[in-house]
Amino acid sequence: SQQGEEDPQALSIQEGENATMNCSYKTSINNLQWYRQNSGRGLVHLILIRSNEREKHSGRLRVTLDTSKKSSSLLITASRAADTASYFCATRYTGANSKLTFGKGITLSVRP
Amino acid sequence: GAVVSQHPSRVICKSGTSVKIECRSLDFQATTMFWYRQFPKQSLMLMATSNEGSKATYEQGVEKDKFLINHASLTLSTLTVTSAHPEDSSFYICSATGTPETQYFGPGTRLLVL
Repeated sequence: SQQGEEDPQALSIQEGENATMNCSYKTSINNLQWYRQNSGRGLVHLILIRSNEREKHSGRLRVTLDTSKKSSSLLITASRAADTASYFCATRYTGANSKLTFGKGITLSVRP
Repeated sequence: GAVVSQHPSRVICKSGTSVKIECRSLDFQATTMFWYRQFPKQSLMLMATSNEGSKATYEQGVEKDKFLINHASLTLSTLTVTSAHPEDSSFYICSATGTPETQYFGPGTRLLVL
């Protein structure tokens, strides 16, 4: 399966702490994306990192990509209760007409 | 960012009926739309890729006669679940390509088949 895998599966932290989520994948990618999903809702695109990039920032989000280890991490700094959601990494593999493949997701709970 | 809408947001139907779900790109034209299914606490699984004006491409294991997809215009794709059964109950999400790299997702449709 080309599906990426996130870890941990669930993470519970206190408001104000940083949350780090990891994603591993199996084959060469064009890009890797992180999405957020609130319970019972659609997905919100957070950030995209290309295979030739190593780190990107967007507000309180920091994403890293290590293509040698086929892994990525999403760091949310100074977490808020409103960050409580499921987070998915999705990879777009190299090759024509490559589809976006989602990992299983991480459930983040931020306690107020 | 680009907006994708889905209608209805929630539907409850009896077993054996057909249900149509609409996916619209509101402020951009989408030559390609995707349909996903998500079971509780699981990942999104791609069902099919829908290209405007042509037949949809279905993923392995997805019955094309069961899940009819029509992409008649650059802003509308529909998914019809024919003769729905309780095992078809799920969360259906569509997405549309904006740039070649990004997809914009709809809010999802919760289907419950009794």
